[in-house]
Amino acid sequence: RKEVEQDPGPFNVPEGATVAFNCTYSNSASQSFFWYRQDCRKEPKLLMSVYSSGNEDGRFTAQLNRASQYISLLIRDSKLSDSATYLCVVNPKTSYDKVIFGPGTSLSVIP
Amino acid sequence: NAGVTQTPKFQVLKTGQSMTLQCAQDMNHNSMYWYRQDPGMGLRLIYYSASEGTTDKGEVPNGYNVSRLNKREFSLRLESAAPSQTSVYFCASTPNGGVSSYNEQFFGPGTRLTVL
Repeated sequence: RKEVEQDPGPFNVPEGATVAFNCTYSNSASQSFFWYRQDCRKEPKLLMSVYSSGNEDGRFTAQLNRASQYISLLIRDSKLSDSATYLCVVNPKTSYDKVIFGPGTSLSVIP
Repeated sequence: NAGVTQTPKFQVLKTGQSMTLQCAQDMNHNSMYWYRQDPGMGLRLIYYSASEGTTDKGEVPNGYNVSRLNKREFSLRLESAAPSQTSVYFCASTPNGGVSSYNEQFFGPGTRLTVL
């Protein structure tokens, strides 16, 4: 089993739709979780951290379920500019200062 | 601030050729990383440097060497390029290391390498 798994998609949704991505991780001792966004042929950039209590940033909501070892990202009222690949990132705490990136989920928002 | 810069942006090599990918950051970050990204595989860590003067292997170090020249610069060398090393290479940096904390990783724009 891979350390971090994501549904690769692609997810094709109309503007204004709500879309959710899930990510599962294998190491139950993992401590930190993040979502990064990567535009086509560009570098990844931090979208948001994921806290135990769940957190929201505008149209984006991230949640963590430690018991089931997954994190989620919900995007409400999708915009064309949300089209990108969303990377799940987990800090497994197995070694110094390293993190594991998931393969990413591709989202296309259609007019 | 330029952030994290990488050179070159594109490179085509023949099998067996060598080259060095350059990375520099101007944010006074301690930790630096080299990743490769292949379709469907996500970002995989090649080498990292927790601080100036130290380097450690990541998930896929075979065929690569690194040098942390100073706090700003972290280079990746391919001694004898192989077609399997065709990939997009990203350099990244974070402000501080430490197992008890995680800081946002700032990425360079990437180097697209093709080995024929």
